[in-house]
Amino acid sequence: GAGVSQSPSNKVTEKGKDVELRCDPISGHTALYWYRQRLGQGLEFLIYFQGNSAPDKSGLPSDRFSAERTGESVSTLTIQRTQQEDSAVYLCASSLSPGRTDTQYFGPGTRLTVL
Amino acid sequence: GQSLEQPSEVTAVEGAIVQINCTYQTSGFYGLSWYQQHDGGAPTFLSYNALDGLEETGRFSSFLSRSDSYGYLLLQELQMKDSASYFCALLTGAGSYQLTFGKGTKLSVIP
Repeated sequence: GAGVSQSPSNKVTEKGKDVELRCDPISGHTALYWYRQRLGQGLEFLIYFQGNSAPDKSGLPSDRFSAERTGESVSTLTIQRTQQEDSAVYLCASSLSPGRTDTQYFGPGTRLTVL
Repeated sequence: GQSLEQPSEVTAVEGAIVQINCTYQTSGFYGLSWYQQHDGGAPTFLSYNALDGLEETGRFSSFLSRSDSYGYLLLQELQMKDSASYFCALLTGAGSYQLTFGKGTKLSVIP
């Protein structure tokens, strides 16, 4: 596609429910990243995929968070038993290949609100 | 770990020049990136410094000094559309090339 797309754009859920957030990277981009942005803050790294494997999961805040990527394309971030502290914008980025000069292109994000 | 400091807010006049500073602490990094984010929008890439010195891209320039743990973004000929948040970010990670972001600087351009 023309750019990184994410769905849904907004998600409101009740505390304790599970949510799934989707990311469609730019076609051909092998590297995919998930970040979280709390209101008025910078982005926090969550997880990195190279192809379908996730060699760096160091940013996932708890075992309630998980992610997968299939077909070296679509990725899904799942948050189980959501808490109010999970409320944030979740951003996905992709790059052609991970490297010292490669640019990460961001999607518009999913705004998650946990009531 | 890594940490970055940048001013929370800057106001400048249309047509003027503004500099947004970024200081950082890190045990190692590949380079320093700058991203622009309009309210409700996605971060968009502006500039990247892998080496010390100045990088120029149109009205935007970015500078890095590794010895001073310091960088800045320079915006010239400010336009109203430049009103946005600007983030510096360190490119780090042992092979993952993840970005570690500062908290952002909200730039307001006034007439």
